[in-house]
Amino acid sequence: ETGVTQTPRHLVMGMTNKKSLKCEQHLGHNAMYWYKQSAKKPLELMFVYNFKEQTENNSVPSRFSPECPNSSHLFLHLHTLQPEDSALYLCASSQNPGPTSTDTQYFGPGTRLTVL
Amino acid sequence: GENVEQHPSTLSVQEGDSAVIKCTYSDSASNYFPWYKQELGKRPQLIIDIRSNVGEKKDQRIAVTLNKTAKHFSLHITETQPEDSAVYFCAASRSNYQLIWGAGTKLIIKP
Repeated sequence: ETGVTQTPRHLVMGMTNKKSLKCEQHLGHNAMYWYKQSAKKPLELMFVYNFKEQTENNSVPSRFSPECPNSSHLFLHLHTLQPEDSALYLCASSQNPGPTSTDTQYFGPGTRLTVL
Repeated sequence: GENVEQHPSTLSVQEGDSAVIKCTYSDSASNYFPWYKQELGKRPQLIIDIRSNVGEKKDQRIAVTLNKTAKHFSLHITETQPEDSAVYFCAASRSNYQLIWGAGTKLIIKP
């Protein structure tokens, strides 16, 4: 399945490093999402972009910085992370999340992040 | 805030038997209820969804039921097979709002 792609698939970084995660969707959607998935926890919504505009930021620490240059690309810039930030970071996209949309979200394969 | 509770956290059933996973939601305005399946090492994928204007929806061996009065919905898998082993997530949302996710159920199919 190549509708939503993410790179890299695995990332190991130190607490002082700066890295970026990339997501690209080829589905013509106009909403994109970043989720954090930790073991034994619900999917945690981090950021939502709708038509390139950030519409939601669920109290995410500033060490995570999203960027959405267009409706097809989404980045998550990482800086001075903590070991507890180690998790699977999933990107998703959907058609406009409005009242008449199907709201179906299509996920990328995720980036497995380990912070040492 | 709004939340979705999902039970059980782990479910083990014999191959061929049925499996039922239940979710309750707190926002009475919720009108969209999807179920996602996440196999080990793979991405979550939508398997079935239901809107609040219907009480039940089926797709082959999978069905979802919705009780709006009680604010709960359930996933039913009949004639379970080894490939049904995965983590299943329920979610709920209302128009123009984001999905609120359940914590997930790990389904184990015993041979």
